[in-house]
Amino acid sequence: GQNIDQPTEMTATEGAIVQINCTYQTSGFNGLFWYQQHAGEAPTFLSYNVLDGLEEKGRFSSFLSRSKGYSYLLLKELQMKDSASYLCAVRPTPQTGANNLFFGTGTRLTVIP
Amino acid sequence: EADIYQTPRYLVIGTGKKITLECSQTMGHDKMYWYQQDPGMELHLIHYSYGVNSTEKGDLSSESTVSRIRTEHFPLTLESARPSHTSQYLCASRGNEQYFGPGTRLTVT
Repeated sequence: GQNIDQPTEMTATEGAIVQINCTYQTSGFNGLFWYQQHAGEAPTFLSYNVLDGLEEKGRFSSFLSRSKGYSYLLLKELQMKDSASYLCAVRPTPQTGANNLFFGTGTRLTVIP
Repeated sequence: EADIYQTPRYLVIGTGKKITLECSQTMGHDKMYWYQQDPGMELHLIHYSYGVNSTEKGDLSSESTVSRIRTEHFPLTLESARPSHTSQYLCASRGNEQYFGPGTRLTVT
């Protein structure tokens, strides 16, 4: 089966740095995705990792360790508008499943002044 | 910017009505998906398609049906809407990355 774990809620202060962790156990691995979802809106794509290491995109970075089944999303210089849910999703290998993304339940981040 | 569209964005409809939620994308993606999401809850995959004439049921059982006659179009139909169908319906398509449409918020009274 597929299992993706991430914390349910986090709170951080404006201007600070926050790290949202995601651990996964899936039947094969072919990429990990991070999405941001504001309340009542659709998820928007943030990042994609398929190889180990850090991918940086402005204030957001995502890290992957395939051997540990672990990823994190790092948000720097937090802004109030970063308050949202952050979804971790894993794509298994085509041979082992339907190749659909498996989503975690999301981490609800609240940024406080 | 992802070119994936959903209509209507909001729909309030009475019990027993037939409805079709539209989804279209102009990225030429073969893979398309429908998710159902209640407020503050996780995404549930209800249907997917890997290309024209390909449709499969997802992880969550749904009374809806889908069709894929054209690559760019993946409509979802409810033959007889019920209050339990009240939810947000999100369409997505995927090349290397998966993009979501803006969603349809459905309320069945």
